[in-house]
Amino acid sequence: DVKVTQSSRYLVKRTGEKVFLECVQDMDHENMFWYRQDPGLGLRLIYFSYDVKMKEKGDIPEGYSVSREKKERFSLILESASTNQTSMYLCASRSSQPQHFGDGTRLSIL
Amino acid sequence: QKEVEQDPGPLSVPEGAIVSLNCTYSNSAFQYFMWYRQYSRKGPELLMYTYSSGNKEDGRFTAQVDKSSKYISLFIRDSQPSDSATYLCAMTRLNSNSGYALNFGKGTSLLVTP
Repeated sequence: DVKVTQSSRYLVKRTGEKVFLECVQDMDHENMFWYRQDPGLGLRLIYFSYDVKMKEKGDIPEGYSVSREKKERFSLILESASTNQTSMYLCASRSSQPQHFGDGTRLSIL
Repeated sequence: QKEVEQDPGPLSVPEGAIVSLNCTYSNSAFQYFMWYRQYSRKGPELLMYTYSSGNKEDGRFTAQVDKSSKYISLFIRDSQPSDSATYLCAMTRLNSNSGYALNFGKGTSLLVTP
């Protein structure tokens, strides 16, 4: 079974902090994705990566960056956290279809 | 127009009922169609995946794709309280390593009552 692990289930941070969300997959997948999920808005793509050190912007990249130094690990970085970044963050990976998701990180910015 | 439309519900049915969940889409380039189930405070879990028109069955679940009408459905037979969750449809254009992401519906909340 595919395993996508997000390092934290719940996280509370303060505005202005730099926040790191980590995601690890164990299936040697090339592609990895970061989404955020908000009530009424559904899942929205922030960034994705199709190879080590490669990244592409998704639909809502503003205020975020990513890092992929190793194939199995994809990090999402909030450069200066703001309250409107309070959300559920979901990581996914795939080789071909379909995508497999982690259990999410519920991030609160105070 | 949103690329993928899905009625958010909530949909409430009695145990044992047949449930029908639906999505419509506007982009005829979509080729791969998925249904995910998401329990509260958990990530989406893949239920069904298909890339062709027609029906695909897996136990109590049947996924149906009608590309001519741009309409997909998920049927749940003999629904159980454990089926209570949010169901997300998703679709994408290519099956390649180019990193094409999924286009999601907003999810339908289902409650199966004992």
